[in-house]
Amino acid sequence: EAGVVQSPRYKIIEKKQPVAFWCNPISGHNTLYWYLQNLGQGPELLIRYENEEAVDDSQLPKDRFSAERLKGVDSTLKIQPAELGDSAVYLCASSPGGSASYNEQFFGPGTRLTVL
Amino acid sequence: AQSVTQLGSHVSVSEGALVLLRCNYSSSVPPYLFWYVQYPNQGLQLLLKYTSAATLVKGINGFEAEFKKSETSFHLTKPSAHMSDAAEYFCAVSGYSGSQGNLIFGKGTKLSVKP
Repeated sequence: EAGVVQSPRYKIIEKKQPVAFWCNPISGHNTLYWYLQNLGQGPELLIRYENEEAVDDSQLPKDRFSAERLKGVDSTLKIQPAELGDSAVYLCASSPGGSASYNEQFFGPGTRLTVL
Repeated sequence: AQSVTQLGSHVSVSEGALVLLRCNYSSSVPPYLFWYVQYPNQGLQLLLKYTSAATLVKGINGFEAEFKKSETSFHLTKPSAHMSDAAEYFCAVSGYSGSQGNLIFGKGTKLSVKP
């Protein structure tokens, strides 16, 4: 069974440029999460999807961040424009179904973003 | 509101020694508790989870953790460290569902294993 796939693995951009990250969850997983992980910190939730619906985006900075999950499968997270402080690892995770937390979340390898 | 405190950002042990990584939580609802491991340049992998069944939870790679409600703790242990255990470990807490079902992570503890 393939795991959560993320691309690109690494991205270097200049500030004020746009950037997009892509995530393909494990097949059949209805719940998809995007996390931000700063250096030396634990992951912090940005947005959670149940199928194609964003059910929790309270931590997503909506002035510059956007996300979509068309057709309830893969998802894209975008930053426009990027700022120096956005340098971090962006993790995607998926779980089998529902928001019940005993469902294990499976994490992708992450995209490491560097903003110069 | 829920939170996690991991005591010690860096723990170093000798190969074969006991591993003890500390986690204390705060939760306004009965908690679910998790330990994840992260190897360099990889995502997080679930080691074990407590979901209100047995208080002593056994996980992968010989790790276990004990839920102690009176101490609000969920410390991770392994009797004998291997070199391959060197990684970063994250404790996380959540409630049952909805926004309380979101995982709240600690800041992590980096485990080093000396030969």
